[in-house]
Amino acid sequence: DADVTQTPRNRITKTGKRIMLECSQTKGHDRMYWYRQDPGLGLRLIYYSFDVKDINKGEISDGYSVSRQAQAKFSLSLESAIPNQTALYFCATSDGGTVETQYFGPGTRLLVL
Amino acid sequence: QKEVEQDPGPLSVPEGAIVSLNCTYSNSAFQYFMWYRQYSRKGPELLMYTYSSGNKEDGRFTAQVDKSSKYISLFIRDSQPSDSATYLCAMSVGSSASKIIFGSGTRLSIRP
Repeated sequence: DADVTQTPRNRITKTGKRIMLECSQTKGHDRMYWYRQDPGLGLRLIYYSFDVKDINKGEISDGYSVSRQAQAKFSLSLESAIPNQTALYFCATSDGGTVETQYFGPGTRLLVL
Repeated sequence: QKEVEQDPGPLSVPEGAIVSLNCTYSNSAFQYFMWYRQYSRKGPELLMYTYSSGNKEDGRFTAQVDKSSKYISLFIRDSQPSDSATYLCAMSVGSSASKIIFGSGTRLSIRP
């Protein structure tokens, strides 16, 4: 079984709808991250969490919110989706080592019409 | 200007060739340099990292950092079709993953 899972893998939604992307991990890591990937722009950090009670904004948090329900679960919400939020979304975990190694999930492909 | 620049490719080479992938950057404070490999429909996976300047070798892969030129490279020797993927460079000032800046990725195709 995959260490980092994301649901759904693909989602089509309409402008203005609320949508939640979910991430679960079995690696036992405290640190979790949400990124979006766009062609030509690479990966950009949306939010990150170093433990259950710690939530931090990343580079592009506007229009997004997160919830860390447990050590193993970190969800990303788009309160009112807009077309420029169409992207590939990745969840990642890390072990917080001397040089952090991040482990990425398989991604969620989101299309906002 | 982006902090990290990476040619998007695509780059197509025959099997067995030596591949050179490169990134340039503008922030001289970057100390940690990473290369991620991303297969189609998958998340990125860390291939290797170097700290500060110099070379690091891991099997067929060599990472090279030239801080004076703000230029990093990944060399792949004896390239295989299984190396076909998108390669992303990434770098950070400190070791925290929350501060990593990623390049946009170079798509590489190895022709059998």
